[in-house]
Amino acid sequence: GAVVSQHPSRVICKSGTSVKIECRSLDFQATTMFWYRQFPKQSLMLMATSNEGSKATYEQGVEKDKFLINHASLTLSTLTVTSAHPEDSSFYICSAGGGESASYEQYFGPGTRLTVT
Amino acid sequence: RKEVEQDPGPFNVPEGATVAFNCTYSNSASQSFFWYRQDCRKEPKLLMSVYSSGNEDGRFTAQLNRASQYISLLIRDSKLSDSATYLCVAKRGAGSYQLTFGKGTKLSVIP
Repeated sequence: GAVVSQHPSRVICKSGTSVKIECRSLDFQATTMFWYRQFPKQSLMLMATSNEGSKATYEQGVEKDKFLINHASLTLSTLTVTSAHPEDSSFYICSAGGGESASYEQYFGPGTRLTVT
Repeated sequence: RKEVEQDPGPFNVPEGATVAFNCTYSNSASQSFFWYRQDCRKEPKLLMSVYSSGNEDGRFTAQLNRASQYISLLIRDSKLSDSATYLCVAKRGAGSYQLTFGKGTKLSVIP
C-alpha cells in the first residue's frame, strides 16, 4: 500500500518561533497533498491543498502567510508554522493523493503533534 | 449545521456487545462515504467504504441511506481492540479527493 511519512512526530517550540513539518510519500508520486489540523475532540479540518509545482489552495479562515506550504517535488510537501503561538498547538496530519491507481484516495501520514509553549 | 454529524459518545460497552453508530450528512453532492478508525494520537485509518446495498467486513456492517442522508456502522461481538474513535467521512464526486470528516464517535469496550 501507499506509505506516507511525517517528520517530526512530535515537536515542542517556544512562542514566536517557526516550525517546519515534512510530509513524504515513500513509494508513490503524490500529485496532490493535503494538510489537516485536528484539535482535541474535534474533527480533522482541512487547512490547505497543494499541487506539486503550484501554489497551495487554502481553506477559508486559514492564514496563508502563517501556514506556509511548499510542494516542490512529487514526494515532498512541507508545512511551516510561522511565529507559532500556543493556540497553534494541535495535531497536524498530512495526506497524499495520486499514484497510478488514480482512485482519488488519500493516504494519511502518522501526524505531527505540535506544542507551543 | 455541520456537513457531517455524529454522536460524539462516548459509548462504553462490554466485550461481546453489539454497538451501532449513526451519522448524517447535509451535502447532497456527497457521493461516497466511509468509516475511518482513529486511535488516540494517531492518524485516521480507513475501516470500510459504505454502500447503499450495505456491506459487511467480518464483524463490521455499514449501511447508507441516500434518501435520508444517513450512514450507520454496526459492530458485532465487540473486542477490546475495537476501542477507538470512529469517523464518518463523506467524499464529493468520483473525481475528487475532497473528504469531509465528522467529529467522530468514541467507543470504549470494557472487559
